[in-house]
Formats: sequence, structure tokens, C-alpha cells
Amino acid sequence: DAGITQSPRHKVTETGTPVTLRCHQTENHRYMYWYRQDPGHGLRLIHYSYGVKDTDKGEVSDGYSVSRSKTEDFLLTLESATSSQTSVYFCAISLMEISTDTQYFGPGTRLTVL
Amino acid sequence: AQSVAQPEDQVNVAEGNPLTVKCTYSVSGNPYLFWYVQYPNRGLQFLLKYITGDNLVKGSYGFEAEFNKSQTSFHLKKPSALVSDSALYFCAVRDKDGATNKLIFGTGTLLAVQP
Repeated sequence: DAGITQSPRHKVTETGTPVTLRCHQTENHRYMYWYRQDPGHGLRLIHYSYGVKDTDKGEVSDGYSVSRSKTEDFLLTLESATSSQTSVYFCAISLMEISTDTQYFGPGTRLTVL
Repeated sequence: AQSVAQPEDQVNVAEGNPLTVKCTYSVSGNPYLFWYVQYPNRGLQFLLKYITGDNLVKGSYGFEAEFNKSQTSFHLKKPSALVSDSALYFCAVRDKDGATNKLIFGTGTLLAVQP
């Protein structure tokens, strides 16, 4: 999985609670991404980062925030979890900011919001 | 806006037969196209990409994809399917809105290879 770890791998939480997912990479790649995967939608981009403290919104960013205080860690926070945020969350990295560069994905976190 | 479509939710093929997983795209300008595979309870694995050049792109695990500009398609192919190829396959296109390397994914096609 391209030197990417995600934690936790599984989490069950209750509506209204905050949740933080962690993505950790070992190779100092500059660009990191958070996606969610849902049946019938494929993967959709939530937020991405192009460097330490540099982040921006993706397609489905409402209800999510991110932080990147170190190159190796990209955190995704659900400020107040809702059942609609039950999903599988994937982190990805890419080496370069060129349009042809390949993204490599972590193993995913399965989140269930009750 | 850029988009990709995978018209088949599931493709069934017998082991040893050729397989095709379809993908069509809609982009402005030249497309940058990718195929990924997802095995159960795993992350996505990169298979291949088309940037420019030969319309037939070869990738991992014996897969290849054919870029067809006139039909705006990028179908994934393999001459002889294996049971171990059974997985979820995603087509993706580079999002050209903005400067960052973002991908837009199709909804996925489940490939089932019967022994």
C-alpha cells in the first residue's frame, strides 16, 4: 500500500461525536488526499493537501475538516458525525504536482456512524 | 466538467476467456485516464494510465487498456481471465479544473470470473 497507513482501520461511533482519522506516510510525499467510497458513487474527494499547513476542499467537504502539521501526517476530522458519513475513507498520496502523476492509496478506514 | 462513466455494474466472465471492462469519459482537451483495482477489504491498486502516445497501454497483472479518442473510451482488457482477477475496477480521469492533481472516479465495475 505504497507506505501509507491509516488508523483506525475500523471505527463505530455515535451521531454527534467528533471523529478523527489519521493517514501516515513514510516517504515525505508532498501531496495527500482524502476520499470517501460509497456504493454507486465510486470515490469522491473530500479534502487534499499540497504541503504542510496547505489544504483545500474537494467535492464533498461539508462536515469535514483536515489538518497537516507534519509532512507525514494528514488528519481528517468529522466535526459532528452523522449517519450520512458512514463510509469507507481512503487516503492517497502523489509524488508530484503534475497532471500525469499517479495517486497511490492506503488500505482504508471503515467508519460506521450509528 | 470532467467525468467518467462505467456503464456496467458487474461483468461476468469464465476463466480463460477474454475480459473487457468498459469506461467512457467526458473531458475538455486531452484526457489523462487511469485504471485502479480494489480487492476485497483492500485499498485501490494502480493498474495503468494513459497520458499520450500509443493507444494501447499495458499495465500490471497482464491488463491493458485501449484509448479510443473518437469513441471517448478507455476500456480495460485482458486476453485470458483468472479467478484471481475477480475484484472491483475503477476508471478515473484527471480533473483539469484547478491546478491540483485531483482524480474523478467512475462508480466501479465488479468483475466476477467463474472457474
